[in-house]
Amino acid sequence: GAGVSQSPRYKVAKRGQDVALRCDPISGHVSLFWYQQALGQGPEFLTYFQNEAQLDKSGLPSDRFFAERPEGSVSTLKIQRTQQEDSAVYLCASSLAGVNTEAFFGQGTRLTVV
Amino acid sequence: AQSVTQPDIHITVSEGASLELRCNYSYGATPYLFWYVQSPGQGLQLLLKYFSGDTLVQGIKGFEAEFKRSQSSFNLRKPSVHWSDAAEYFCAVGGSGGYNKLIFGAGTRLAVHP
Repeated sequence: GAGVSQSPRYKVAKRGQDVALRCDPISGHVSLFWYQQALGQGPEFLTYFQNEAQLDKSGLPSDRFFAERPEGSVSTLKIQRTQQEDSAVYLCASSLAGVNTEAFFGQGTRLTVV
Repeated sequence: AQSVTQPDIHITVSEGASLELRCNYSYGATPYLFWYVQSPGQGLQLLLKYFSGDTLVQGIKGFEAEFKRSQSSFNLRKPSVHWSDAAEYFCAVGGSGGYNKLIFGAGTRLAVHP
């Protein structure tokens, strides 16, 4: 596709429910990033992939958060046993090769945990 | 610790007036600096970036920014604001090696009066 595509755009989850957020990066982009953006805040880094390898997951807030990119293209961010503090917009970005090249962001998935 | 500070949470300007958005960073190595814009419901769009060289960088939509190492600042400017510039603006810093993640400021929300 022409840009980074994220689905769903909106997700409402009951507390304790598992959710999966999908990111389709720009074709050919090696690097893929996930960020979490709480209301009124700037995006915060969650994790980074280079192709299928997850090179940095230091920003994942707990072991309930898990990300994968098994074939080096589409990525999924999974949150288990969601809690209210997980409510945020989850942004995916891709770039040709790391932050040195322009990162293109998707529109994000707004997750609301009730 | 690495951090980005955007001192102004909200700024309101009149259409046609000049604009300066402030950004200060703390980073141990040579920083890569970025300004992104986010319109409601949209992903982040890169306005401009500084890696090295000329400290005054030009971006899209008539924006420019100046890197001042002595002040650890990277302020965004525009000589004449248009109503369509109303959005949220984020300053970000990244590393000069490898993929390094971006660290974002909390953002400045710009309102434009007709």
